[in-house]
Amino acid sequence: GENVEQHPSTLSVQEGDSAVIKCTYSDSASNYFPWYKQELGKRPQLIIDIRSNVGEKKDQRIAVTLNKTAKHFSLHITETQPEDSAVYFCAASMGYSSASKIIFGSGTRLSIRP
Amino acid sequence: DAGVTQSPTHLIKTRGQQVTLRCSPKSGHDTVSWYQQALGQGPQFIFQYYEEEERQRGNFPDRFSGHQFPNYSSELNVNALLLGDSALYLCASSGTGSFSRRNTDTQYFGPGTRLTVL
Repeated sequence: GENVEQHPSTLSVQEGDSAVIKCTYSDSASNYFPWYKQELGKRPQLIIDIRSNVGEKKDQRIAVTLNKTAKHFSLHITETQPEDSAVYFCAASMGYSSASKIIFGSGTRLSIRP
Repeated sequence: DAGVTQSPTHLIKTRGQQVTLRCSPKSGHDTVSWYQQALGQGPQFIFQYYEEEERQRGNFPDRFSGHQFPNYSSELNVNALLLGDSALYLCASSGTGSFSRRNTDTQYFGPGTRLTVL
């Protein structure tokens, strides 16, 4: 069945360093890959997404890469700041339209050390 | 521009009871999806509503049912509550469920309803 695996489950980096979170997906029909950030007690917030016709996308300090052949995608955060501390979820869906359920990974708890 | 709203914020029920959660989508959105997020886990897809019909369903029992109204708002109903139903229930809305339009699959989440079953 559809599955998204995410690792690591926890990640601690020094402020200013980079953080990388990796995910794999099982359904080769998946073509939309959003990333959500969830702070304690709050809703998941979309931070970046990528579609299968693109290999990389960048937005300021955040970038996402996609390898369709290997069914891998990754989130890269550069120059980390204390406010980057949160739980990050990768997800995959067959983004044909809004009629697409999102399958989430299990999350990565990112901590930024001052 | 109002975002996705949910009510109530918190709810405490006992085993065997029934609960109804409510969601209003973001302005301009017509598709509502519901997710269950247990503590320390990622959200799990329950079902999705478009044009007042359930269009997709995840691996949840029939105790979980829903409804969508003509104004696109939605309800999630859970019958015969179990302790394991304790979770954060998230509603997400997205642009249009029409298959004729693409790139409208971005889903925006509401703040959630924290359900505790005792």
